[in-house]
Amino acid sequence: GAVVSQHPSRVICKSGTSVKIECRSLDFQATTMFWYRQFPKKSLMLMATSNEGSKATYEQGVEKDKFLINHASLTLSTLTVTSAHPEDSSFYICSARNRDTEAFFGQGTRLTVV
Amino acid sequence: GQNIDQPTEMTATEGAIVQINCTYQTSGFNGLFWYQQHAGEAPTFLSYNVLDGLEEKGRFSSFLSRSKGYSYLLLKELQMKDSASYLCAVIDSNYQLIWGAGTKLIIKP
Repeated sequence: GAVVSQHPSRVICKSGTSVKIECRSLDFQATTMFWYRQFPKKSLMLMATSNEGSKATYEQGVEKDKFLINHASLTLSTLTVTSAHPEDSSFYICSARNRDTEAFFGQGTRLTVV
Repeated sequence: GQNIDQPTEMTATEGAIVQINCTYQTSGFNGLFWYQQHAGEAPTFLSYNVLDGLEEKGRFSSFLSRSKGYSYLLLKELQMKDSASYLCAVIDSNYQLIWGAGTKLIIKP
């Protein structure tokens, strides 16, 4: 099946610094990529949707300037958590798909801000 | 609004059968997915239904009724490793994935 690679799988950073998470579709062209955040014991919360070559569409309540999303090519999207704070600690997951396919998920990134 | 309902938690016995239901109300419908998620891991794909009926894939089967806004995931011959959360997700008319909160399945020996 299709593979989506997310990197890093775990990251610990100091409060106030920025962290970049990469999401790559390895064997297909992802016209759309999604970024999710998952809180403990809760479902996935969609943060934003990005289409290749255009600006990301953010869900209500998600700060655009804090969670920067770039989808520069059909195989790569990045999420940058800027000026991270402990409350940003969470599990971040990307998924990628073409219009008519299922969503393939990355492995997820466990972010811990200390 | 858009809404997907599934039970919060279910318990079943090893070797038995369990059915996890999902009902949805969304703006449009372009397919329904079931995903399995173990704690601390990303979801993994189980099934995709876009037409009414039953899709069988080994020990797992998924059923869809679009007129009723209803789906279920059937797990047979349960194994301990099936203990996980099972997420129902619907693609709406804008091709957005709408997620249910997930059903935590506990398997007992």
